[in-house]
Amino acid sequence: EVQLLESGGGLVQPGGSLRLSCAASGFTFSAYGMSWVRQAPGRGLEWVSSSSSSGATTYYADSVKGRFTISRDISKNTLYVQMNSLRVEDTALYYCAKNLGVRGVKDPFDYWGQGTLVTVSS
Amino acid sequence: QSALTQPPSVSGSPGQSVTISCTGTSSDVGSYNRVSWYQQPPGTAPKLMIYEVSNRPSGVPDRFSGSKSGNTASLTISGLQAEDEADYYCSSYTSSSTLIFGGGTKLTVL
Repeated sequence: EVQLLESGGGLVQPGGSLRLSCAASGFTFSAYGMSWVRQAPGRGLEWVSSSSSSGATTYYADSVKGRFTISRDISKNTLYVQMNSLRVEDTALYYCAKNLGVRGVKDPFDYWGQGTLVTVSS
Repeated sequence: QSALTQPPSVSGSPGQSVTISCTGTSSDVGSYNRVSWYQQPPGTAPKLMIYEVSNRPSGVPDRFSGSKSGNTASLTISGLQAEDEADYYCSSYTSSSTLIFGGGTKLTVL
């Protein structure tokens, strides 16, 4: 059974940093792209970032480019996103999602975690 | 890049059919067959319902179908059931190597 468990969310001040983790199990982690998708309270889904299966290729939404960095540790079956220079508008529930294929951004999300909440506020 | 355009809400009675549209541009929906649809009941994570315009993942009922014409993709749900009540989101790959979602459509089963 595929499981994705996010952690690392919390309250952070504007300009601060946070690192989210996503522990994956139930599939061959190194064989699939992985992504982060967020949802602000009461709002729609917003794609944040994707990683190819190897981690060699990464993709970012314009809204986070230069501030967020996606990475993966295949030995730990874990996906990360390092979030720097956080803004109030980054407040959202952050979902980790498994891509159906290897490329990441081109492939649909066939499994989702339950999300971890990030609140950016002074 | 702006979100794909979806109607804010649609409704239908049990047994009826409803269609949700998703309009993009020639830089996303119109150029790629990388359109997906997700179902999100309140308080839960999204679930993949349709991918690559018209493919259904294993376990998704064949009451759900997808299509595309030009810059507009559509999700049709036939034989509506109470359990179909949820928010629905479309997404598309773009020419900028990014992914864009629609604003979401709330489906109400009357």
